[in-house]
Amino acid sequence: GESVGLHLPTLSVQEGDNSIINCAYSNSASDYFIWYKQESGKGPQFIIDIRSNMDKRQGQRVTVLLNKTVKHLSLQIAATQPGDSAVYFCAETRGPDKLIFGTGTRLQVFP
Amino acid sequence: DSGVTQTPKHLITATGQRVTLRCSPRSGDLSVYWYQQSLDQGLQFLIQYYNGEERAKGNILERFSAQQFPDLHSELNLSSLELGDSALYFCASSVGGTIFYEQFFGPGTRLTVL
Repeated sequence: GESVGLHLPTLSVQEGDNSIINCAYSNSASDYFIWYKQESGKGPQFIIDIRSNMDKRQGQRVTVLLNKTVKHLSLQIAATQPGDSAVYFCAETRGPDKLIFGTGTRLQVFP
Repeated sequence: DSGVTQTPKHLITATGQRVTLRCSPRSGDLSVYWYQQSLDQGLQFLIQYYNGEERAKGNILERFSAQQFPDLHSELNLSSLELGDSALYFCASSVGGTIFYEQFFGPGTRLTVL
């Protein structure tokens, strides 16, 4: 099926360090991207989004960067905490009604 | 807690059977989305309803159907179940009718087909 790819299936970081999760997307016409966090046993949770007319967007401890030239998206988490341990998905829009999700990256935070 | 509820939490059934999954959206949300999450396919969009009407379709099999009722809760019906239908099924709700409105996901229903 359709998918948005991720470079790293598992990322291990030390508590307090910054984390960078990457995502490659395939459709250059996509104009909206979302990052989701999914903790074990729970549904995905919206983290941050970005439109294609932006290169960068910041939230609380998170930053999303969009490079349309190489069709690359990244999520940066500052001062990673144990509560950040989860699977992170990027999602790409296909029109106004459909989200295409990546395969996910597992973030493990160790003390 | 997202405010979206799904029942049942777990469902175990046999091949060939039919099941119904239920979703109650957040208060005030008009859209309900259904997703399937399996190990080999990841998170896949199935179908969306907005204010009782089907709005968009994704990778939904003909054996699957859904509806949204006047009180805005939704049901996903899965019939002639196969082993490969074993997955987590999530619903999500949003206030608006497009994906530009934030979606709030429920806790999911884990379906096991034996």
